[in-house]
Amino acid sequence: AQSVTQPDIHITVSEGASLELRCNYSYGATPYLFWYVQSPGQGLQLLLKYFSGDTLVQGIKGFEAEFKRSQSSFNLRKPSVHWSDAAEYFCAVGAVAGGGNKLTFGTGTQLKVEL
Amino acid sequence: GAVVSQHPSWVICKSGTSVKIECRSLDFQATTMFWYRQFPKQSLMLMATSNEGSKATYEQGVEKDKFLINHASLTLSTLTVTSAHPEDSSFYICSARVPGSNQPQHFGDGTRLSIL
Repeated sequence: AQSVTQPDIHITVSEGASLELRCNYSYGATPYLFWYVQSPGQGLQLLLKYFSGDTLVQGIKGFEAEFKRSQSSFNLRKPSVHWSDAAEYFCAVGAVAGGGNKLTFGTGTQLKVEL
Repeated sequence: GAVVSQHPSWVICKSGTSVKIECRSLDFQATTMFWYRQFPKQSLMLMATSNEGSKATYEQGVEKDKFLINHASLTLSTLTVTSAHPEDSSFYICSARVPGSNQPQHFGDGTRLSIL
């Protein structure tokens, strides 16, 4: 069975500082990987996705993530955080079989940005 | 593109009533939609996969008779919480995937359900 671990429940960074959110997955083969962001009381917005190919993936809002097969990781990064980035971030893995339909989410990381 | 609309955004009702939540794909046709439940400060748990023109596939532990899913068209799936009770109070989110390979799920804005 697939699973996702987000080790950090809360992270606080200063505005303008760099950010890295950790995500480790468990899956028997190369998975589909996603990062979503959720603002309070809202649905999820897709930041970026990895299906295959280049292991460094660029997303929206200046975010990027790197797939590292040897470490079973898909960490999210941003070089300079903005106050509007404060939100909950979810990493998800999708089984390749079935076209990545069935998503398993991590428990999320709450990002707080200090001005 | 790939916009998913969910309605209503907030529902408060009495215990014992049934509540219907709609999920629409606005600019694409979705043969498959998904329903998730999210408890406060927790992650999303997949409840069921909604397939257009056929029965939904429920995850283990989800009561089919409690959470009725209908996917009558390529742009609309509905979730009906029947005889709702306070323990059904939660945040329900739907998603839909653009047909084709290598397509992610796109999510609605969710429905906050509060049962008194």
